[in-house]
Amino acid sequence: AQSVTQLGSHVSVSEGALVLLRCNYSSSVPPYLFWYVQYPNQGLQLLLKYTSAATLVKGINGFEAEFKKSETSFHLTKPSAHMSDAAEYFCAVIGTRGGNKLTFGTGTQLKVEL
Amino acid sequence: NAGVTQTPKFQVLKTGQSMTLQCAQDMNHEYMSWYRQDPGMGLRLIHYSVGAGITDQGEVPNGYNVSRSTTEDFPLRLLSAAPSQTSVYFCATRTSRHEQFFGPGTRLTVL
Repeated sequence: AQSVTQLGSHVSVSEGALVLLRCNYSSSVPPYLFWYVQYPNQGLQLLLKYTSAATLVKGINGFEAEFKKSETSFHLTKPSAHMSDAAEYFCAVIGTRGGNKLTFGTGTQLKVEL
Repeated sequence: NAGVTQTPKFQVLKTGQSMTLQCAQDMNHEYMSWYRQDPGMGLRLIHYSVGAGITDQGEVPNGYNVSRSTTEDFPLRLLSAAPSQTSVYFCATRTSRHEQFFGPGTRLTVL
């Protein structure tokens, strides 16, 4: 069984400020973890993924996430927010032992203000 | 390459009507899936397929049918539409490394 919990359905930051979107996972086997971004009226796009190599993963558009097994977390960060980062972000998990079902969190809507 | 395409983009149905949401891909991915997205609920898996001729249920399969006769196509059928099926539907493919590629979505309203 696997699940992800995204803390905060809405996050608001000022342009230039740090972005921190939280994701905690639960998995009975070592997980693969993903962050996806969804811009308005579009499908989801892969931002980055963790697949048991380096614990700090860099993605597109300046985002990165750190896998912390002790905290069962995979938080998404970006040092300096840009207006174009406003979107909904989804964390997702799949078990590494042949699982077929990618489980998504409920999403965090990021608002970037001037 | 077109990636994952979905038709139609928008659809309005009356309760009890049936319809098919089309999904096609040109990436030669074996795994395809259908999700529905509802506010505050993230994406929920409806059905998935690991290859032509093989399909299985996800977490919310009731009221939906799928078939997979070719690698490229994975249509989703609503048998008798209900207002509870009002949602945005996404088709996705997946690589062997579990990276998913999503279509642009179909916004369905059932009156």
